[in-house]
Amino acid sequence: GEDVEQSLFLSVREGDSSVINCTYTDSSSTYLYWYKQEPGAGLQLLTYIFSNMDMKQDQRLTVLLNKKDKHLSLRIADTQTGDSAIYFCAESPLFSGGYNKLIFGAGTRLAVHP
Amino acid sequence: GAGVSQSPSNKVTEKGKDVELRCDPISGHTALYWYRQSLGQGLEFLIYFQGNSAPDKSGLPSDRFSAERTGGSVSTLTIQRTQQEDSAVYLCASSLGPWREAFFGQGTRLTVV
Repeated sequence: GEDVEQSLFLSVREGDSSVINCTYTDSSSTYLYWYKQEPGAGLQLLTYIFSNMDMKQDQRLTVLLNKKDKHLSLRIADTQTGDSAIYFCAESPLFSGGYNKLIFGAGTRLAVHP
Repeated sequence: GAGVSQSPSNKVTEKGKDVELRCDPISGHTALYWYRQSLGQGLEFLIYFQGNSAPDKSGLPSDRFSAERTGGSVSTLTIQRTQQEDSAVYLCASSLGPWREAFFGQGTRLTVV
């Protein structure tokens, strides 16, 4: 079945790196996504990775994909207070109906403290 | 408009009443999605519209939920005889096509008392 799991809470000190982990179940997922939700706001697409890639770097963000273990991680370098938010991992199963049906995890709440 | 617009932003309703939630997608986006975010849970897919095709309603939790999309643009999600477990944030998203990036609105927070 379809299921995405991630830890619910992460606390880091400002300036440190944050690593948010996620496991997914559907090996057909072509793309895997990270979304950010700030308080009172909608979801913002942070980054995504194509399933034939192992790593993608975008400024302070690094996405690692272990397709064998179906494990995805998001690393935020030099974490700032503005990074405090809920981060959602999502998969998009290829055979979900012919469109980008996103299956989300429960979200990881990142708290950044001085 | 510049982004996906949802209204109202907040809605408090009495148990048993019907509610309508509205979504204005980004102009030109043919695909439209509704998701539900319940407290402490992830986002749950509800329904998908693509152009004039029949919608994928497989995520609707019960027959009290329905949605329509008029003229391939504005969508309305209707919940009849609301229950307390319907309390959640309802998010709408749109995209240029079935496999393109989805842009989310800010959501409607529904509270059933």
